[in-house]
Amino acid sequence: QKEVEQDPGPLSVPEGAIVSLNCTYSNSAFQYFMWYRQYSRKGPELLMYTYSSGNKEDGRFTAQVDKSSKYISLFIRDSQPSDSATYLCAMAALTGTASKLTFGTGTRLQVTL
Amino acid sequence: DAGVTQSPTHLIKTRGQQVTLRCSPKSGHDTVSWYQQALGQGPQFIFQYYEEEERQRGNFPDRFSGHQFPNYSSELNVNALLLGDSALYLCASSFGGYNSPLHFGNGTRLTVT
Repeated sequence: QKEVEQDPGPLSVPEGAIVSLNCTYSNSAFQYFMWYRQYSRKGPELLMYTYSSGNKEDGRFTAQVDKSSKYISLFIRDSQPSDSATYLCAMAALTGTASKLTFGTGTRLQVTL
Repeated sequence: DAGVTQSPTHLIKTRGQQVTLRCSPKSGHDTVSWYQQALGQGPQFIFQYYEEEERQRGNFPDRFSGHQFPNYSSELNVNALLLGDSALYLCASSFGGYNSPLHFGNGTRLTVT
């Protein structure tokens, strides 16, 4: 069993839809949670970075962490064609270094006109 | 403000050869981490360099080695290349502390034939 599970998709939604992306994890040592966006032939771009359980909002993006269920989510409101990319969840343990991230496989998102 | 830069962007090598990949961190960052991303997978942690020393290492063989220079730039060396080493190699930089989020470059695409 992988430490971080993420549905690879692809997920196709119409423009303007609310998108929900999710990851589950098994390692209770994970304390830092991140979402990255990766366009084709590019490196991952940091979207959200959070430590505590609960919600964190940044523009159209909301990250949600539920440590009791070992479940994290990223919501994208009013999705745009430019949001079409692969979304990677990543996590790190508190006792180690936050540079040693464990990633999910990524979910490919397609936003259609 | 320059982000993380990597060179070369693409590289083709033959099995058994050696390769060196280079990375310059984002301005103000002093820590460099290297990741390997196979096609359709999330990045996997190789190792991290801080103050010119390897601070943490992932589950990669000794064929993978690195170096950090006094100006914080870094190199990744891979010896005795295998076909399975074909991947996107990503460099990420951060600032010293354990809680600092990572910023990635666009990677070097290595193909081993």
